[in-house]
Amino acid sequence: DAAVTQKPRYLIKMKGQEAEMKCIPEKGHTAVFWYQQKQSKELKFLIYFQNQQPLDQIDMVKERFSAVCPSSSLCSLGIRTCEAEDSALYLCSSSRDWGKDTQYFGPGTRLLVL
Amino acid sequence: GEQVEQRPPHLSVPEGDSAVIICTYTDSATAYFYWYKQEPGAGLQLLMSVFSNVDRKEEQGLTVLLNKKDKQLSLNLTAAHPGDSAVYFCAVSAFWGSNYKLTFGKGTLLTVTP
Repeated sequence: DAAVTQKPRYLIKMKGQEAEMKCIPEKGHTAVFWYQQKQSKELKFLIYFQNQQPLDQIDMVKERFSAVCPSSSLCSLGIRTCEAEDSALYLCSSSRDWGKDTQYFGPGTRLLVL
Repeated sequence: GEQVEQRPPHLSVPEGDSAVIICTYTDSATAYFYWYKQEPGAGLQLLMSVFSNVDRKEEQGLTVLLNKKDKQLSLNLTAAHPGDSAVYFCAVSAFWGSNYKLTFGKGTLLTVTP
């Protein structure tokens, strides 16, 4: 299996605080995806990077999140002002070939907003 | 957009029995099919990937069937054991707009009883 790393594993924030989580994609993978999972339910697509450029993102991310991939070996997802509804597991995946190849997932960052 | 229905949401089988999970998708352009396993507090572990030119794939006690006519994907775990207890997700993708983001089913909680 590929090794995608995510840090931190757990994050606790108060409502209104900023949160940041990081993802180290598998070496050689140029496509990075972020997904949100609430209460072990289905994963919801958030944003896609190809060669460090954001090419697709949902409206919620545009409005309240900040996401960058400053290098091919590091991406980050931030929430500018945390809300209770942001409590979730944030999963990062990486892939080759514009995401056409299999996506491999990291262990996730579990965010709790109090 | 693509929609994926997964059933059943919960499945309990005795050790040694088989377990079958079925997903139905809507977009005929869907080309890539995946099954992931998620254990409590963990990320997603890839079980099997299947591309649209394959109808059946078997690996290590798992069988995936793809019925493109009915837009149905199934996972069969033969001779399940307690270590198989987890949440299983199907996921599908195609090139929609700009990338191959995954659309997930809602998951099946499988419990294998000793």
